[in-house]
Amino acid sequence: AQRVTQPEKLLSVFKGAPVELKCNYSYSGSPELFWYVQYSRQRLQLLLRHISRESIKGFTADLNKGETSFHLKKPFAQEEDSAMYYCALSGYNQGGKLIFGQGTELSVKP
Amino acid sequence: GAVVSQHPSWVICKSGTSVKIECRSLDFQATTMFWYRQFPKQSLMLMATSNEGSKATYEQGVEKDKFLINHASLTLSTLTVTSAHPEDSSFYICSARGDTEAFFGQGTRLTVV
Repeated sequence: AQRVTQPEKLLSVFKGAPVELKCNYSYSGSPELFWYVQYSRQRLQLLLRHISRESIKGFTADLNKGETSFHLKKPFAQEEDSAMYYCALSGYNQGGKLIFGQGTELSVKP
Repeated sequence: GAVVSQHPSWVICKSGTSVKIECRSLDFQATTMFWYRQFPKQSLMLMATSNEGSKATYEQGVEKDKFLINHASLTLSTLTVTSAHPEDSSFYICSARGDTEAFFGQGTRLTVV
């Protein structure tokens, strides 16, 4: 079964602290993994995807196939990073449909 | 980036009536669009895949006759909630697949009273 699990509903850190949002997945095959972000009162937008291996807004995520994880990290959190973060999975040859995790609300305090 | 627009942004309807939600890709063509449902502070649940010119593919547990999907053109998909009930109240989000990523609409808040 395809599943994405984000164990933390809420993550609260102080500005400048490191952040790690956890994501584990279950998929029989080679999925494509994504992180989406939803800022307050805005639409969902792509933050990064594992195949591009890039850093966006200081965030990085590495796909660990052995642990079936795709954790999102940032060394120094900023207040503007406060948002809902969703990990998502897309299976090969599935036309782009996404399976989302439950989401983690990141709150960065001053 | 590409833009996906939903209309209306919010709607209130009476129990038993039907409501239509539109999803448009404004600057690109999308042969495939997706409809999601989101409960407060919860995940997006995929409801169905909307395919241009053919029938939608529904996820398990989603009632086809309840949630009618039409994808009549490469830029428009509609979701009609038929005979709406209070339990259908939710946030509905569509997305359209571009060349390299999916773009999301702003969502439609449906309240059934």
